[in-house]
Amino acid sequence: SQQGEEDPQALSIQEGENATMNCSYKTSINNLQWYRQNSGRGLVHLILIRSNEREKHSGRLRVTLDTSKKSSSLLITASRAADTASYFCATDAPGYSTLTFGKGTMLLVSP
Amino acid sequence: NAGVMQNPRHLVRRRGQEARLRCSPMKGHSHVYWYRQLPEEGLKFMVYLQKENIIDESGMPKERFSAEFPKEGPSILRIQQVVRGDSAAYFCASSPTGQGSQPQHFGDGTRLSIL
Repeated sequence: SQQGEEDPQALSIQEGENATMNCSYKTSINNLQWYRQNSGRGLVHLILIRSNEREKHSGRLRVTLDTSKKSSSLLITASRAADTASYFCATDAPGYSTLTFGKGTMLLVSP
Repeated sequence: NAGVMQNPRHLVRRRGQEARLRCSPMKGHSHVYWYRQLPEEGLKFMVYLQKENIIDESGMPKERFSAEFPKEGPSILRIQQVVRGDSAAYFCASSPTGQGSQPQHFGDGTRLSIL
């Protein structure tokens, strides 16, 4: 299975702090994506990084990818209470047309 | 609302009944994916369909589960003779192409409860 694993499983921080979540996967990938899921809702796409990219930014989000270690990190800077959600990484592998999701990190940002 | 629409949002069935879950993809999207999510778990891929074709059903149980995406109308995930273990949230996603370089757009899911 190429399922990704996020860590930590849960993260609790104060507003204004940075949050870092990590994702590891097992096989070669074409792309890695990060999604957010608010309680009771569907997933929302945040950012995609290709296998030949090392870092990508989008607003307060910064994603890194290390294909030699088969890992990625998602950094949310200056967190807000509204960032409270579960965050999932998802990978697609050569020859596969589907995404494989990790188990996610639950982020709680307290005011 | 131009997003992915799933209905019903909540569905309660007794053991042995049938469950039908519907998904209307975003306008212009012809690729649909179904996932199952258990509490505090990630999404598990079930099936990937393009209009009138099943592209990949490797994640779907061979028995009791079926999926279709007809030329007209929504995609349907059908679970026959439901059992307690089928209780989960079922999510549908769509994309304009089948490429992994495209983000998938998700509906808000159907929460299936089996009594």
